Formats: sequence, structure tokens, C-alpha cells
Amino acid sequence: QKEVEQNSGPLSVPEGAIASLNCTYSDRGSQSFFWYRQYSGKSPELIMFIYSNGDKEDGRFTAQLNKASQYVSLLIRDSQPSDSATYLCAVSFNNDMRFGAGTRLTVKP
Amino acid sequence: DVKVTQSSRYLVKRTGEKVFLECVQDMDHENMFWYRQDPGLGLRLIYFSYDVKMKEKGDIPEGYSVSREKKERFSLILESASTNQTSMYLCASSLGRVTEAFFGQGTRLTVV
Repeated sequence: QKEVEQNSGPLSVPEGAIASLNCTYSDRGSQSFFWYRQYSGKSPELIMFIYSNGDKEDGRFTAQLNKASQYVSLLIRDSQPSDSATYLCAVSFNNDMRFGAGTRLTVKP
Repeated sequence: DVKVTQSSRYLVKRTGEKVFLECVQDMDHENMFWYRQDPGLGLRLIYFSYDVKMKEKGDIPEGYSVSREKKERFSLILESASTNQTSMYLCASSLGRVTEAFFGQGTRLTVV
């Protein structure tokens, strides 16, 4: 079975700090990697995607991928209270897409 | 904007009933997915479809079936609802292989 693992948290950081979220996956053939944010009672929404090894930056968010270690991470710089949500890692191979259980992040003012 | 619409936000059904959850997307996406989301377990893939009339089992297909007769519509069927199928059900669609998924608003199903 293809597995996607995340630390469930909760992760708590002060406002302005860097939040670091981690994810590992079991299928070496995985091709695409996504980070979604889900606010309580809402559906997941895409933050970032990454296909190649290395870093990808978009504003305050940086996704990092290491296929050799089967590891993907998300860094949130200058964390804001509005970033408080559950962050879901998703991994895709061909046409499927599987998610981790999510990490709950709380940013304290 | 991509729109994925699920037919109901809330649904209450009785044990043993046959239940249909409908999902429609308006962006001509190839792939469609059904997930259930339970506290602490994240989104678990039930079934997905990569083309009309094509379907693949996900990680928890037992007790469910799906139908995709038209490209824009993907239905999840609970053949005989049971209380352990009480959950939030999320439908999603994506353009093609390895592209991002867009989600519907979810259906909170309660089986009593």
C-alpha cells in the first residue's frame, strides 16, 4: 500500500517564526508532491506543488523535495495567525493522489 | 475558476439503505476522486477514475462502488450503508496525470 506519513502535531509556533512541516512517502515512483491547507470545516486548498528535487519558493512558503530520501517539507516564514490550519501533504503517481493525515499548525499572536 | 460541486452538504441515512453521493466538475478534468476524511486519519482514497467508465480502487474501497458514465460526473455508491461509514466525503478532480486536485465542499454523511 502506498503510504504518506506526516507528524500529526499539533505544532505551535509564535507569530513571525518559521514553521516547518514534514512528510515522507513510501512509493519511490511518486512523481508529484503537493501541500494543501485546510481550515476547520472547509475543503483543502492547494498551497504549493513540487516535481523536482530541491527547493521551490512562493512568497512566504518554500517546498523542499528529496526523492532519494522520499521526503518533502514545507517551510512557512514569518508565520501569521491566519496560517493556523491543518496542512496536508499529497503524493501523486500517474493518476492517483494520496494524502497524509495532516499536521495541525497553530500560530500564536 | 474550477468548480467541483457535491450534491449535498449534509445527509442522514438509515443502516442498510443504498446511498448515492454525486459530484460534478465543470472544467473537463480527466481525473476524479472520492475520499473520506475522519479525525486523525486524514483523507483516505476510496476510488478514483481517470476516464469515462474507467475506475481504480483506492485504499479503502470495501463497501463502496463508483460510477462514471459522463466525464463531468462521478458518483459514489454505498451499497448498504453502515454506521462505520459515517464520515465526511470529499470529491476532487484534476486535469490530468500528476496535476493538482480541486475539491468539492464535502458531504457530511451520518448513518443511523
